[in-house]
Amino acid sequence: GAVVSQHPSWVICKSGTSVKIECRSLDFQATTMFWYRQFPKQSLMLMATSNEGSKATYEQGVEKDKFLINHASLTLSTLTVTSAHPEDSSFYICSASEGLDNEQFFGPGTRLTVL
Amino acid sequence: AQRVTQPEKLLSVFKGAPVELKCNYSYSGSPELFWYVQYSRQRLQLLLRHISRESIKGFTADLNKGETSVHLKKPFAQEEDSAMYYCALRGAGGYQKVTFGIGTKLQVIP
Repeated sequence: GAVVSQHPSWVICKSGTSVKIECRSLDFQATTMFWYRQFPKQSLMLMATSNEGSKATYEQGVEKDKFLINHASLTLSTLTVTSAHPEDSSFYICSASEGLDNEQFFGPGTRLTVL
Repeated sequence: AQRVTQPEKLLSVFKGAPVELKCNYSYSGSPELFWYVQYSRQRLQLLLRHISRESIKGFTADLNKGETSVHLKKPFAQEEDSAMYYCALRGAGGYQKVTFGIGTKLQVIP
């Protein structure tokens, strides 16, 4: 199956700083990438959907100015958590697909801890 | 609104016993339904789509439209089936986001 990588796998930062998470499709062109957040013992919650070269579509309740998503190429999308606070601590997972309705391939996730 | 409910957080079965992971959904229409699996220390991956009507690793998705359920079943559990299983739904018609259930941890006891 197709491979999606995420970097870093975990990050610890101080409150008020910004953190960037990368999501890469290694062996296919990902026209669409998705960003999810998963709190402990809860389900994956979709944050936003991004199409290459377009602005991301954010889910209701997700602040687009806080969670900046860039999908500048067919193999890379980034999520930047700006001015992170302890409540942003979570597991962030990306997935990528070759189209909106195609199978999503998931990255391994990034554990963010904000002190 | 679309919703996916997995009532059991943990399901423990003995090796060789039948497995049924429950999933109920709420959607006004005919959604596309999926089961995803996450083995220990691995990423989430698609196990099967209900529409394919196929059996993957011995698992099948049993759709019941009347009960709006799509339980995941396997006649004989194996130790390697131990994992987290997530039920998911995608609405019909154009692009629709995928909504996940909370997941059920399947523990197969040797």
